[in-house]
Amino acid sequence: QKEVEQNSGPLSVPEGAIASLNCTYSDRGSQSFFWYRQYSGKSPELIMFIYSNGDKEDGRFTAQLNKASQYVSLLIRDSQPSDSATYLCAVNTGFQKLVFGTGTRLLVSP
Amino acid sequence: SQTIHQWPATLVQPVGSPLSLECTVEGTSNPNLYWYRQAAGRGLQLLFYSVGIGQISSEVPQNLSASRPQDRQFILSSKKLLLSDSGFYLCAWSPGLGYEQFFGPGTRLTVL
Repeated sequence: QKEVEQNSGPLSVPEGAIASLNCTYSDRGSQSFFWYRQYSGKSPELIMFIYSNGDKEDGRFTAQLNKASQYVSLLIRDSQPSDSATYLCAVNTGFQKLVFGTGTRLLVSP
Repeated sequence: SQTIHQWPATLVQPVGSPLSLECTVEGTSNPNLYWYRQAAGRGLQLLFYSVGIGQISSEVPQNLSASRPQDRQFILSSKKLLLSDSGFYLCAWSPGLGYEQFFGPGTRLTVL
């Protein structure tokens, strides 16, 4: 079992819809969770992080964490074509390093 | 604010040639520094990380090496490149182990 798993996609949503991206992790000792966006040919950029169970909102983005079920998700409201990118989930597994998933490709159609 | 630089941006090298990629961070002191490789269509593979000058931890045995000669400088090297070394090399910094990481613009390496 991979430490951090994401559906590779592509996840296709129409403009204005809510995009829901999911990530599961295997280590129950994981302490912090991060979402990155990576445009094709570019480096990853941090969108947001979450440490505690529940929801954390930042503009159109909401991160949701459920440690009991070992999953973290990212919701993007009012999706725009400019949101089309690969979204990477990263987890601090307790060994003080981040482990990255392979990413979910999101396509937002006009 | 903090800025991270990498150079060169692109590099084409023959098999068996040496490699030196450089990463520098501005606007912070004593950062944790990381080297990742991302092969085409693949996830991020952590290669090395450093918590201080001269302190290097290797994650994957390979023909690459890393050095940190100054607080905000991180260098990735190889004596002889392999075809399998091709990829997108990313340097990142964080304020501490386990904290969020911020990536540089990357170096795209093609080994022919």
